[in-house]
Amino acid sequence: GENVEQHPSTLSVQEGDSAVIKCTYSDSASNYFPWYKQELGKRPQLIIDIRSNVGEKKDQRIAVTLNKTAKHFSLHITETQPEDSAVYFCAAKGRNAGNMLTFGGGTRLMVKP
Amino acid sequence: DTAVSQTPKYLVTQMGNDKSIKCEQNLGHDTMYWYKQDSKKFLKIMFSYNNKELIINETVPNRFSPKSPDKAHLNLHINSLELGDSAVYFCASSQTTYEQYFGPGTRLTVT
Repeated sequence: GENVEQHPSTLSVQEGDSAVIKCTYSDSASNYFPWYKQELGKRPQLIIDIRSNVGEKKDQRIAVTLNKTAKHFSLHITETQPEDSAVYFCAAKGRNAGNMLTFGGGTRLMVKP
Repeated sequence: DTAVSQTPKYLVTQMGNDKSIKCEQNLGHDTMYWYKQDSKKFLKIMFSYNNKELIINETVPNRFSPKSPDKAHLNLHINSLELGDSAVYFCASSQTTYEQYFGPGTRLTVT
Protein backbone atom coordinates (compact mmCIF):
# COMPACT_ATOMS: atom_id res chain seq x y z
CA GLY A 1 0.00 0.00 0.00
CA GLU A 2 0.84 3.68 0.00
CA ASN A 3 3.41 5.06 2.45
CA VAL A 4 3.77 8.79 3.13
CA GLU A 5 6.67 10.35 5.02
CA GLN A 6 6.61 13.95 6.23
CA HIS A 7 9.42 16.25 7.36
CA PRO A 8 10.16 18.03 9.57
CA SER A 9 8.12 16.83 12.53
CA THR A 10 8.43 20.25 14.17
CA LEU A 11 9.14 23.64 12.63
CA SER A 12 9.59 26.95 14.39
CA VAL A 13 9.69 30.20 12.41
CA GLN A 14 9.54 33.90 13.13
CA GLU A 15 6.39 35.76 12.16
CA GLY A 16 6.69 36.96 8.59
CA ASP A 17 9.13 34.24 7.56
CA SER A 18 8.29 31.41 5.17
CA ALA A 19 7.69 27.79 6.16
CA VAL A 20 8.18 24.71 4.01
CA ILE A 21 6.96 21.20 4.80
CA LYS A 22 7.95 18.27 2.61
CA CYS A 23 6.37 14.87 1.97
CA THR A 24 7.35 11.83 -0.04
CA TYR A 25 5.08 9.02 -1.19
CA SER A 26 5.70 5.50 -2.41
CA ASP A 27 2.87 4.63 -4.83
CA SER A 28 3.60 6.04 -8.28
CA ALA A 29 -0.10 5.67 -9.14
CA SER A 30 -1.15 8.17 -6.44
CA ASN A 31 -3.10 10.99 -8.04
CA TYR A 32 -4.33 13.29 -5.28
CA PHE A 33 -2.39 15.11 -2.56
CA PRO A 34 -4.28 17.18 0.02
CA TRP A 35 -2.92 19.19 2.93
CA TYR A 36 -4.79 19.51 6.21
CA LYS A 37 -4.35 21.94 9.11
CA GLN A 38 -5.30 20.79 12.58
CA GLU A 39 -5.46 23.21 15.48
CA LEU A 40 -5.32 21.92 19.02
CA GLY A 41 -8.45 19.96 19.88
CA LYS A 42 -10.03 20.62 16.49
CA ARG A 43 -10.75 18.64 13.37
CA PRO A 44 -8.33 18.46 10.42
CA GLN A 45 -9.32 21.09 7.86
CA LEU A 46 -8.48 20.91 4.19
CA ILE A 47 -6.40 23.96 3.25
CA ILE A 48 -5.15 23.13 -0.23
CA ASP A 49 -4.81 20.14 -2.50
CA ILE A 50 -3.19 19.22 -5.79
CA ARG A 51 -3.91 16.57 -8.38
CA SER A 52 -1.30 14.67 -10.30
CA ASN A 53 -1.94 16.51 -13.56
CA VAL A 54 -0.53 19.81 -12.25
CA GLY A 55 2.82 20.76 -10.77
CA GLU A 56 1.90 23.73 -8.62
CA LYS A 57 -1.13 25.36 -7.05
CA LYS A 58 -1.36 28.57 -5.07
CA ASP A 59 -4.01 30.08 -2.81
CA GLN A 60 -3.06 33.42 -1.27
CA ARG A 61 -0.20 32.75 1.17
CA ILE A 62 -0.09 28.99 0.71
CA ALA A 63 1.17 26.97 -2.23
CA VAL A 64 1.78 23.34 -2.98
CA THR A 65 4.26 21.87 -5.45
CA LEU A 66 4.33 18.32 -6.81
CA ASN A 67 7.21 16.44 -8.38
CA LYS A 68 5.78 13.17 -9.72
CA THR A 69 9.12 11.89 -10.95
CA ALA A 70 10.69 12.18 -7.52
CA LYS A 71 7.42 11.33 -5.77
CA HIS A 72 7.46 14.27 -3.43
CA PHE A 73 5.28 17.27 -2.74
CA SER A 74 5.67 20.31 -0.53
CA LEU A 75 3.61 22.93 1.27
CA HIS A 76 4.86 26.51 1.25
CA ILE A 77 3.47 29.16 3.59
CA THR A 78 4.69 32.71 3.07
CA GLU A 79 4.42 35.67 5.45
CA THR A 80 3.59 33.39 8.34
CA GLN A 81 1.31 34.65 11.10
CA PRO A 82 0.78 33.38 14.67
CA GLU A 83 -2.59 31.95 13.63
CA ASP A 84 -0.76 29.65 11.20
CA SER A 85 0.52 27.75 14.26
CA ALA A 86 -0.96 24.24 14.09
CA VAL A 87 -0.18 20.69 13.03
CA TYR A 88 -0.10 20.23 9.28
CA PHE A 89 -0.69 16.88 7.60
CA CYS A 90 0.04 15.85 4.05
CA ALA A 91 -1.79 12.91 2.51
CA ALA A 92 -1.88 10.89 -0.68
CA LYS A 93 -4.58 8.89 -2.39
CA GLY A 94 -2.90 5.81 -3.73
CA ARG A 95 -3.90 2.82 -5.79
CA ASN A 96 -6.78 1.64 -3.66
CA ALA A 97 -10.50 1.24 -3.75
CA GLY A 98 -12.60 3.41 -1.46
CA ASN A 99 -10.76 6.73 -2.03
CA MET A 100 -8.77 6.16 1.12
CA LEU A 101 -6.10 8.68 2.07
CA THR A 102 -2.75 7.79 3.62
CA PHE A 103 -1.48 10.54 5.91
CA GLY A 104 2.02 11.66 6.77
CA GLY A 105 3.05 11.87 10.41
CA GLY A 106 2.33 15.58 10.75
CA THR A 107 4.41 18.74 11.25
CA ARG A 108 3.91 20.95 14.26
CA LEU A 109 4.42 24.52 13.03
CA MET A 110 5.05 27.23 15.61
CA VAL A 111 5.08 30.84 14.47
CA LYS A 112 6.71 33.16 17.00
CA PRO A 113 5.37 36.72 17.13
CA ASP B 1 -24.86 24.59 9.65
CA THR B 2 -22.83 21.60 10.76
CA ALA B 3 -21.57 19.72 7.70
CA VAL B 4 -20.23 16.59 9.40
CA SER B 5 -21.26 15.92 12.99
CA GLN B 6 -20.39 13.23 15.51
CA THR B 7 -21.78 12.13 18.86
CA PRO B 8 -20.67 11.85 21.52
CA LYS B 9 -17.78 14.31 21.70
CA TYR B 10 -16.26 12.45 24.66
CA LEU B 11 -16.68 8.80 25.61
CA VAL B 12 -15.16 7.21 28.71
CA THR B 13 -15.70 3.51 29.25
CA GLN B 14 -14.15 0.41 30.75
CA MET B 15 -12.28 -2.39 29.08
CA GLY B 16 -14.50 -5.10 27.68
CA ASN B 17 -17.50 -2.84 27.06
CA ASP B 18 -19.19 -2.32 23.69
CA LYS B 19 -19.76 1.23 22.46
CA SER B 20 -20.94 3.13 19.40
CA ILE B 21 -20.07 6.48 17.86
CA LYS B 22 -22.51 8.16 15.50
CA CYS B 23 -21.72 10.25 12.44
CA GLU B 24 -24.01 12.28 10.23
CA GLN B 25 -23.31 14.46 7.20
CA ASN B 26 -25.72 16.92 5.60
CA LEU B 27 -23.59 17.63 2.54
CA GLY B 28 -25.24 15.04 0.31
CA HIS B 29 -21.92 13.24 -0.04
CA ASP B 30 -21.84 9.64 -1.22
CA THR B 31 -18.77 8.36 0.59
CA MET B 32 -18.05 8.35 4.31
CA TYR B 33 -14.96 7.34 6.27
CA TRP B 34 -13.70 6.62 9.76
CA TYR B 35 -10.20 7.61 10.86
CA LYS B 36 -8.32 6.96 14.11
CA GLN B 37 -5.90 9.53 15.53
CA ASP B 38 -3.66 8.12 18.23
CA SER B 39 -1.87 9.91 21.05
CA LYS B 40 1.03 10.81 18.75
CA LYS B 41 -1.44 12.54 16.41
CA PHE B 42 -0.98 9.98 13.65
CA LEU B 43 -4.09 9.77 11.44
CA LYS B 44 -5.00 6.38 10.02
CA ILE B 45 -7.89 5.37 7.78
CA MET B 46 -10.08 2.62 9.18
CA PHE B 47 -13.00 2.32 6.73
CA SER B 48 -14.44 3.76 3.58
CA TYR B 49 -18.15 3.29 2.80
CA ASN B 50 -19.70 4.17 -0.55
CA ASN B 51 -23.14 3.19 -1.77
CA LYS B 52 -23.20 0.08 0.37
CA GLU B 53 -19.65 -0.89 -0.55
CA LEU B 54 -17.41 -1.21 2.48
CA ILE B 55 -13.66 -1.02 2.12
CA ILE B 56 -11.75 -2.04 5.22
CA ASN B 57 -8.19 -1.17 6.07
CA GLU B 58 -6.59 -4.56 6.60
CA THR B 59 -5.03 -3.51 9.89
CA VAL B 60 -8.35 -2.79 11.62
CA PRO B 61 -9.38 -5.48 14.16
CA ASN B 62 -12.73 -7.12 13.49
CA ARG B 63 -13.96 -5.76 16.83
CA PHE B 64 -14.60 -2.56 14.86
CA SER B 65 -17.59 -2.51 12.54
CA PRO B 66 -19.18 0.39 10.66
CA LYS B 67 -22.91 0.44 10.12
CA SER B 68 -24.72 2.71 7.68
CA PRO B 69 -28.50 3.01 8.08
CA ASP B 70 -28.61 5.45 5.15
CA LYS B 71 -26.40 7.55 2.90
CA ALA B 72 -26.08 10.38 5.45
CA HIS B 73 -25.01 8.26 8.42
CA LEU B 74 -22.08 6.00 9.19
CA ASN B 75 -21.84 4.74 12.76
CA LEU B 76 -18.89 2.96 14.31
CA HIS B 77 -19.43 0.03 16.67
CA ILE B 78 -16.61 -1.23 18.82
CA ASN B 79 -16.86 -4.52 20.71
CA SER B 80 -14.77 -5.69 23.66
CA LEU B 81 -12.94 -2.39 24.07
CA GLU B 82 -9.23 -2.51 24.86
CA LEU B 83 -6.87 0.08 26.36
CA GLY B 84 -5.21 0.52 22.96
CA ASP B 85 -8.49 1.67 21.46
CA SER B 86 -8.15 4.97 23.32
CA ALA B 87 -7.83 7.65 20.63
CA VAL B 88 -9.73 10.35 18.82
CA TYR B 89 -12.01 8.96 16.11
CA PHE B 90 -12.89 11.17 13.18
CA CYS B 91 -15.65 10.66 10.69
CA ALA B 92 -15.26 12.25 7.24
CA SER B 93 -17.21 12.45 4.00
CA SER B 94 -16.64 13.27 0.34
CA GLN B 95 -18.70 13.62 -2.82
CA THR B 96 -15.98 13.23 -5.40
CA THR B 97 -13.01 10.96 -5.12
CA TYR B 98 -11.05 13.87 -3.77
CA GLU B 99 -11.94 16.45 -1.08
CA GLN B 100 -12.73 14.89 2.29
CA TYR B 101 -14.31 16.88 5.11
CA PHE B 102 -13.87 15.84 8.71
CA GLY B 103 -16.24 15.80 11.66
CA PRO B 104 -15.26 17.29 15.05
CA GLY B 105 -13.98 14.01 16.46
CA THR B 106 -14.87 11.74 19.38
CA ARG B 107 -12.31 11.30 22.12
CA LEU B 108 -12.57 7.72 23.38
CA THR B 109 -10.89 6.84 26.66
CA VAL B 110 -10.81 3.22 27.75
CA THR B 111 -9.95 2.61 31.42
